[in-house]
Amino acid sequence: TQLLEQSPQFLSIQEGENLTVYCNSSSVFSSLQWYRQEPGEGPVLLVTVVTGGEVKKLKRLTFQFGDARKDSSLHITAAQPGDTGLYLCAGAMGDYKLSFGAGTTVTVRA
Amino acid sequence: NAGVTQTPKFQVLKTGQSMTLQCAQDMNHEYMSWYRQDPGMGLRLIHYSVGAGITDQGEVPNGYNVSRSTTEDFPLRLLSAAPSQTSVYFCASSYSSRVAYEQYFGPGTRLTVT
Repeated sequence: TQLLEQSPQFLSIQEGENLTVYCNSSSVFSSLQWYRQEPGEGPVLLVTVVTGGEVKKLKRLTFQFGDARKDSSLHITAAQPGDTGLYLCAGAMGDYKLSFGAGTTVTVRA
Repeated sequence: NAGVTQTPKFQVLKTGQSMTLQCAQDMNHEYMSWYRQDPGMGLRLIHYSVGAGITDQGEVPNGYNVSRSTTEDFPLRLLSAAPSQTSVYFCASSYSSRVAYEQYFGPGTRLTVT
């Protein structure tokens, strides 16, 4: 059983559409990170959120940390084919051990 | 900076063989970790190190050994390979932080055990 549940598992959309990926848990995290991974490569950090209710924007990507620090969401506006990849959330609970979600595979069709 | 490097990129082993996956980082990070990635299961922590000479077990340590003699290197040893160890292995490093342990990942080693 994974500490962090991501949904949906797969998402396929047309270029220009919006999408949201969710990361939920019953545990409280000191911080939550989002990574993107492309085939054959290692994950790359996109953002870290630390404060409950925090919202961070990275160009067309918006990340939100829940008020209770148990959940997070990633919203992509006007998705482009370059946004295609596996999106992973990871939570830290104050020690070094990160817990990763199973990931959401996003495909943006041109 | 090369960041985090891993060798080999691909490896095929027979059941019972042993091997070492190499990992090195040039960012002077204190923390280093090994993860395995399996379909539908995300990344699972195998072993980690908070500094030279200090290692500890993660979520799935059985069948693997690690050591950390220098800040730069963190090899992962498979003692007697089993088909269940077929996976993609990622090494990661991180600077110390009280709150966030942001990981810098290597490119991965794809291991197949037959």
